[in-house]
Amino acid sequence: QKEVEQDPGPLSVPEGAIVSLNCTYSNSAFQYFMWYRQYSRKGPELLMYTYSSGNKEDGRFTAQVDKSSKYISLFIRDSQPSDSATYLCAMETRFGNEKLTFGTGTRLTIIP
Amino acid sequence: DTEVTQTPKHLVMGMTNKKSLKCEQHMGHRAMYWYKQKAKKPPELMFVYSYEKLSINESVPSRFSPECPNSSLLNLHLHALQPEDSALYLCASSQGQTRGQGVFGYTFGSGTRLTVV
Repeated sequence: QKEVEQDPGPLSVPEGAIVSLNCTYSNSAFQYFMWYRQYSRKGPELLMYTYSSGNKEDGRFTAQVDKSSKYISLFIRDSQPSDSATYLCAMETRFGNEKLTFGTGTRLTIIP
Repeated sequence: DTEVTQTPKHLVMGMTNKKSLKCEQHMGHRAMYWYKQKAKKPPELMFVYSYEKLSINESVPSRFSPECPNSSLLNLHLHALQPEDSALYLCASSQGQTRGQGVFGYTFGSGTRLTVV
């Protein structure tokens, strides 16, 4: 079993829809959770980070963490064609190394 | 300056060539990373430098040789690569581990797209 599981998609939704992207994890030592957006042929860009259960909102993006279920989500409201990209969840343990564990990424396409 | 700059953006090299990838950041970050990313896959960690010292080597073949000349620069020296080494090579930096707070929020460069022929 992989430490982090993420539905690879691809996921296609119409413009304006609410998008839900999800990851599950098995390692209860993960304490910090991040979402990255990666456009084609570019490096990943940090979108959201959080370290506690609950919701964190930033504009059209909401990151949700449920540590009891080992489940994290990223919601995108009023989706735009410019949101079309691959979204990677990533997580890290509080103690020790500097190694992020990534999900496999979900390819998202917003259809105008 | 909130960027990680990688050069070159594209590189084609033969299996007998020696080349280097370069990475630079001026955010005062104390940890720098090399990642390898194949198409439609997540980034795979290769090396971590923390305070200019190699702290993690993920069992990378010796044909990849990292170097951290100072806190702002990171190089990856390439020699005798194989076609399967063709990939996007990403550099990243972060604040690094400070008082047990853990790594948080990497900044990635745009990568070097390497093709080995």
